[in-house]
Amino acid sequence: QKEVEQNSGPLSVPEGAIASLNCTYSDRGSQSFFWYRQYSGKSPELIMSIYSNGDKEDGRFTAQLNKASQYVSLLIRDSQPSDSATYLCAYPAGSSNTGKLIFGQGTTLQVKP
Amino acid sequence: DTGVSQDPRHKITKRGQNVTFRCDPISEHNRLYWYRQTLGQGPEFLTYFQNEAQLEKSRLLSDRFSAERPKGSFSTLEIQRTEQGDSAMYLCASSRDTARGSPLHFGNGTRLTVT
Repeated sequence: QKEVEQNSGPLSVPEGAIASLNCTYSDRGSQSFFWYRQYSGKSPELIMSIYSNGDKEDGRFTAQLNKASQYVSLLIRDSQPSDSATYLCAYPAGSSNTGKLIFGQGTTLQVKP
Repeated sequence: DTGVSQDPRHKITKRGQNVTFRCDPISEHNRLYWYRQTLGQGPEFLTYFQNEAQLEKSRLLSDRFSAERPKGSFSTLEIQRTEQGDSAMYLCASSRDTARGSPLHFGNGTRLTVT
């Protein structure tokens, strides 16, 4: 089992719809999760951090964490064409104290006008 | 906060040549990371510095790769005798040392093409 699993997509949604991106992880002890957005040819940009079970909202973005199911998701409301990018899920490697993050392969989102 | 800076942005080199990349982290961040990313994959960890000490290296980092952070500020990543398989985006990131788990802040990356 990979440490972080994401559906590579592409996930295609119409403009204005809700995009739902999902991530499962293997380390039950992980306490922190991060969502990054990466435009084609650019570097990853942090968009959300979540540290506890439940939902965390920031503007059009909501991160949801379910530690019992080892599942984290990102909802994007009122999707815009500018949201078209690859979304990476990441969490700290559990066995070390380095703070290094383990990344999924990313889900490509396409928002169609 | 000027962000993480990487230089050069692009590098094209011939197989067998040596290349060196530079990273300047966010000034108050004591942790610095190098990652490599290929098309369609997430970033893969290469190595980590806490201040000037290199504390972890991935098994991905062959003997041809070496990284330094001589004064605990900027870092360099050198690849000797480059191979076509080294073609990738090399990403540098930095973070604060916190107990909770701190996000990484990435630079714009150096895209390496080995011909």
